[in-house]
Formats: sequence, structure tokens, C-alpha cells
Amino acid sequence: DSGVTQTPKHLITATGQRVTLRCSPRSGDLSVYWYQQSLDQGLQFLIQYYNGEERAKGNILERFSAQQFPDLHSELNLSSLELGDSALYFCASSVAGREGLANYGYTFGSGTRLTVV
Amino acid sequence: DQQVKQNSPSLSVQEGRISILNCDYTNSMFDYFLWYKKYPAEGPTFLISISSIKDKNEDGRFTVFLNKSAKHLSLHIVPSQPGDSAVYFCAARGWGSQGNLIFGKGTKLSVKP
Repeated sequence: DSGVTQTPKHLITATGQRVTLRCSPRSGDLSVYWYQQSLDQGLQFLIQYYNGEERAKGNILERFSAQQFPDLHSELNLSSLELGDSALYFCASSVAGREGLANYGYTFGSGTRLTVV
Repeated sequence: DQQVKQNSPSLSVQEGRISILNCDYTNSMFDYFLWYKKYPAEGPTFLISISSIKDKNEDGRFTVFLNKSAKHLSLHIVPSQPGDSAVYFCAARGWGSQGNLIFGKGTKLSVKP
């Protein structure tokens, strides 16, 4: 158990629908990152939150949005789903500062596998 | 445009021998490089990192080498064990960035007994 909890583990939904993925970061970590891994692709950075505030955006579609709540858990909302959105979605959290990065990297959850049919 | 590239999708090595996984990058402003290991149905697990001001970092069987002039880094695993069989991702963080990591597409390592 990495300490980062993602729910649900699996999700199957139809095109056009909306889903919400949830992430609880490791205790004490203020930063949360969302990544998407499609078939044969590396992990694509979507968005980062730090202590409730959006910090950085990557290749996140306008149909996708996220937020981080006061208790630091985060949700990724995916709407108007398309077949191409089928992927593994990972959440990661990190300790602030360079020492944290050097010694612990980012801690990833086990992911949510989204299948759009 | 891929800023972090792992050109070998797969690598097969005999148990006990050295595994060398390679990674190239294009952005000279990256300040940290990390290696992750991923088993099927699990999230990536942090292995080892190296700062851009160093050229080598070692942790047990794992050593990462950084060649800044060539914009190349490599992960050496010695000796390789069957349990090392996994997908290995190289990642980089931009200097002064908000902290997000940019990943390569991964190399699948198979260690044969």
C-alpha cells in the first residue's frame, strides 16, 4: 500500500456519460497530480493541485476538470466521454521540497481503469 | 514532441547479469530525473533519482548515470533478478516548474532465470 488511495479501481461506462475519479493523497502530502496512461503510451500529465489551488495544467481536455478539497483529497471529473478516453488514470502525491523529490519521488496510487463502451 | 524518450520498448536479460535501461531528453532545463518501476495492475513505484548537478547516484543494486552533455541517462541494475521484471519509466522535472514530472513511454524489462 503506497498510501495514495484511488477509487474506484475499475469503471465501465457508456459514451457521452460523466464519471468522477477520487484520490486521497498520502498523509501530509499537499500536492496531488493526475496522470493518464493510454495503451502503449507513457504517463501523460493532466493537472496538479497544491493545497487546494490549481498549480499546473498539462494535456487536459476541456471536457475534464479537477479539484482539491480542504481535506486534500482530489477528484477528477470526466464528461462527455468518448471511446478514446479509455485509459488508466493515476493520481500521485508528493512531499514538498527538493529533498522530498530526491528521496521519495512522487507516490502513485494503483490507478483507476476507465473503459468507455 | 517528446521531451523524454525511451527508445527501447523492451529488454531481455539473463538473471545475474547487468540490465541497462536508457533514456534521452531534449530539455536542458530539467533539474531532476527519476526512475520508476511498474508492475501490471499497480501504480508506478519510485526507484531512484538524480539531480542535474550530479553524474551518478547509487542505491543498492540500482545506479543511475547522467550525461548532461549528451542529454542521456541510464539505469543500471546489477545483478538482475527475476523480480526486477517490470516496465521501467524515466521521468524528468523542469527547473522551476510547478513540479509535474514528464515521463517516457517505458521499457519492459524481462529477466530470465
